Amino acid sequence: DTGVSQNPRHKITKRGQNVTFRCDPISEHNRLYWYRQTLGQGPEFLTYFQNEAQLEKSRLLSDRFSAERPKGSFSTLEIQRTEQGDSAMYLCASSYASGGTRLINYGYTFGSGTRLTVV
Amino acid sequence: AQTVTQSQPEMSVQEAETVTLSCTYDTSESNYYLFWYKQPPSRQMILVIRQEAYKQQNATENRFSVNFQKAAKSFSLKISDSQLGDTAMYFCAFMKHGKSGGGADGLTFGKGTHLIIQP
Repeated sequence: DTGVSQNPRHKITKRGQNVTFRCDPISEHNRLYWYRQTLGQGPEFLTYFQNEAQLEKSRLLSDRFSAERPKGSFSTLEIQRTEQGDSAMYLCASSYASGGTRLINYGYTFGSGTRLTVV
Repeated sequence: AQTVTQSQPEMSVQEAETVTLSCTYDTSESNYYLFWYKQPPSRQMILVIRQEAYKQQNATENRFSVNFQKAAKSFSLKISDSQLGDTAMYFCAFMKHGKSGGGADGLTFGKGTHLIIQP
């Protein structure tokens, strides 16, 4: 297992174009998260999945942002009609949350991110 | 909503010295996790240490330890015998223990402290 993989590492796009990023989590992890990090700030939570179900999406920045996780494996984050303000690092993380009488999240593993530049 | 405050934008210490990074948070939750993450330049976010709020004992990981003061909502990180490789951005993060078992709202990060270890 090589950790959380994100592709591409860098993306330059023209304003108004659509972009899609991919995240491959650690195979044993059942949870997958997307974050955005702008310069000089900590990451900002966007959305997360447990298996294939998207359990939280109200924090997506606008209706131009959408995420999918078909079959509960890799995930994609799409930004439609990009704007210059979308320029940021987009981080993916995965974790394992255990069920049973006590649900415990074992902490996140982050990918290296996709740096988006909108020109 | 939770907030995390890191009041030290940048700190610089000599190699082998001990350094403490401050973090305070605000929440009405009683059950949560706290984390310190390290982000080296152009590298991925790495978990340094985590603390579960119900545990009174402070977490330690080798040269890293925390001072968790629940009543004061304070969670500082102490790095002993600092090394050049400790140079990085350090982020304090909060995660509510959700109904579905951790991570229901994702991580809330502070703005980070840039730690520089001088030779």
